[in-house]
Amino acid sequence: QKEVEQNSGPLSVPEGAIASLNCTYSDRGSQSFFWYRQYSGKSPELIMFIYSNGDKEDGRFTAQLNKASQYVSLLIRDSQPSDSATYLCAVNLDDYKLSFGAGTTVTVRA
Amino acid sequence: NAGVMQNPRHLVRRRGQEARLRCSPVKGHSHVYWYRQLPEEGLKFMVYLQKENIIDESGMPKERFSAEFPKEGPSILRIQQVVRGDSAAYFCASTDRGSNTEAFFGQGTRLTVV
Repeated sequence: QKEVEQNSGPLSVPEGAIASLNCTYSDRGSQSFFWYRQYSGKSPELIMFIYSNGDKEDGRFTAQLNKASQYVSLLIRDSQPSDSATYLCAVNLDDYKLSFGAGTTVTVRA
Repeated sequence: NAGVMQNPRHLVRRRGQEARLRCSPVKGHSHVYWYRQLPEEGLKFMVYLQKENIIDESGMPKERFSAEFPKEGPSILRIQQVVRGDSAAYFCASTDRGSNTEAFFGQGTRLTVV
């Protein structure tokens, strides 16, 4: 079983719609959860992190965490063409080591 | 305020040659992490270094790979006798302490072994 699994893409949404990205993890001891955005050929860019169960909102992005279900998601509201990228879910294995999912590629259609 | 700087951005090596990848962390950061990203895969942790010390190299292959972060200068990831399977993007991240909350990634070095 992979440590971090993301829903397979690619995910195509129309401009203005909500993009929903899902991620599950295997280590119940994980405490920190991260969403990175990676444009093609570029470096991963941190967009959200979440530690506590529930929702965390930052602009058009909402991260949701359910530790009992070992599930973390990212919602992108009012999707824009500039949101087209690969989104990486990452989970901490300890204080400094991150385990990444394979990523979900999102395409926002104008 | 420069971020994490990696060079070269692209590196082509023939099988059997050595590859040297350099990473200069954010100014003031003393913790460096190297990750490898294979095509269609997520980033895989390789090694965590502080100045002059390797803290965790559990993700780095035991043979041909080595890393250092000297007191002066950038962190170096060295791959000896490269093989085709080493072709990947290698990313470096840095933090000001041993925590991944605010890890900044560099642009990566894309290694191609021909």
